[in-house]
Amino acid sequence: GESVGLHLPTLSVQEGDNSIINCAYSNSASDYFIWYKQESGKGPQFIIDIRSNMDKRQGQRVTVLLNKTVKHLSLQIAATQPGDSAVYFCAETYSGYSTLTFGKGTMLLVSP
Amino acid sequence: DTGVSQNPRHKITKRGQNVTFRCDPISEHNRLYWYRQTLGQGPEFLTYFQNEAQLEKSRLLSDRFSAERPKGSFSTLEIQRTEQGDSAMYLCASSSMTTVNTQYFGPGTRLTVL
Repeated sequence: GESVGLHLPTLSVQEGDNSIINCAYSNSASDYFIWYKQESGKGPQFIIDIRSNMDKRQGQRVTVLLNKTVKHLSLQIAATQPGDSAVYFCAETYSGYSTLTFGKGTMLLVSP
Repeated sequence: DTGVSQNPRHKITKRGQNVTFRCDPISEHNRLYWYRQTLGQGPEFLTYFQNEAQLEKSRLLSDRFSAERPKGSFSTLEIQRTEQGDSAMYLCASSSMTTVNTQYFGPGTRLTVL
């Protein structure tokens, strides 16, 4: 399948390492954020979300950190696996607004 | 599979032809969204429905683009008089009333205009 990752920032890690993917968002009014994973030729897959009244949220092997002061979001993946290789997008929205605005995306490459 | 489904998965057409894509949302979701994604970019919002009402369509790319959701279940996106610049992945997403901003995406329809 064709890659969605052309011309994207790329993070290359070894299997078992921890990965950190960063995202700067633009709208200070945004109060809800989602991280999506997109594999080549597939639609974005929901990973984890966070609301602006939190600064950290944990899921299975993933943690999202939110810094509203500098409008920065990060996704941490623990013990990265080859199956984590994909393009990761952050998306933002705000209460009363129904659409998501996506960031540029980061390609994560995990080598065995 | 109870996720969002889209058909066809791939569509190749000649410039000037009309194409129609279908999206079936998650069954209990009353909101349905259409996005377009070009290579190397994040999805770009086009339009959305709440039940059968189209609540936002100003972001449709031109008047050649139209969408319907006649019975508040599946939706169709039509592009008339296709142009090579319409080549992209067209994504559908849905969400529920209780978590309106948590959108779940389908696999997309890849359109290639020759």
